[in-house]
Amino acid sequence: DQQVKQNSPSLSVQEGRISILNCDYTNSMFDYFLWYKKYPAEGPTFLISISSIKDKNEDGRFTVFLNKSAKHLSLHIVPSQPGDSAVYFCAASARISGAGSYQLTFGKGTKLSVIP
Amino acid sequence: GAVVSQHPSRVICKSGTSVKIECRSLDFQATTMFWYRQFPKQSLMLMATSNEGSKATYEQGVEKDKFLINHASLTLSTLTVTSAHPEDSSFYICSATEKGVYFTDTQYFGPGTRLTVL
Repeated sequence: DQQVKQNSPSLSVQEGRISILNCDYTNSMFDYFLWYKKYPAEGPTFLISISSIKDKNEDGRFTVFLNKSAKHLSLHIVPSQPGDSAVYFCAASARISGAGSYQLTFGKGTKLSVIP
Repeated sequence: GAVVSQHPSRVICKSGTSVKIECRSLDFQATTMFWYRQFPKQSLMLMATSNEGSKATYEQGVEKDKFLINHASLTLSTLTVTSAHPEDSSFYICSATEKGVYFTDTQYFGPGTRLTVL
């Protein structure tokens, strides 16, 4: 049972336009959401996150929107640049007792291709 | 800051041998280190969580006798794949969270290790 779903395995966007990557989750205990960017044969790099008490977080060209009632979040990249081409993973965490850090549950990723 | 390294980046071994992968936090002390495995076109699957000085907590379905994790210090965790078989071939990635930053969700990932078992 996949608790974090990224239903689009790939997305192509023209340079300069907006890229919208979507993520759905099923576990209502998730209270923190993160986006990671990953290049081939490298580890993921943290991009942006959002707490469940917010509905929007913005950092430069990247904005994450959270719709708790729909259990849906999205990452907007505007304007898209060729260097943004990578696989983007959505991740979610739920508090686990006794731990100082929370485990992340990852989606399968969406491969973004930004066309010059 | 917050750099995590892994060594080796690639390893090829014969079936039946053991392989050790190191994960180091270079510029911070890691409270917790995580080990993930990624299959092609698949998500990162958490294998185990380790806290410095205590035994690792393994996810369901992960054999702890096969995937030995040692978190000996605040900057080093090792994953040893014992008696490796071709089905163990995969991309192994570690991550770490920073000591002193409690209840954090932000994990810093290493670059990964590509293991190929012949």
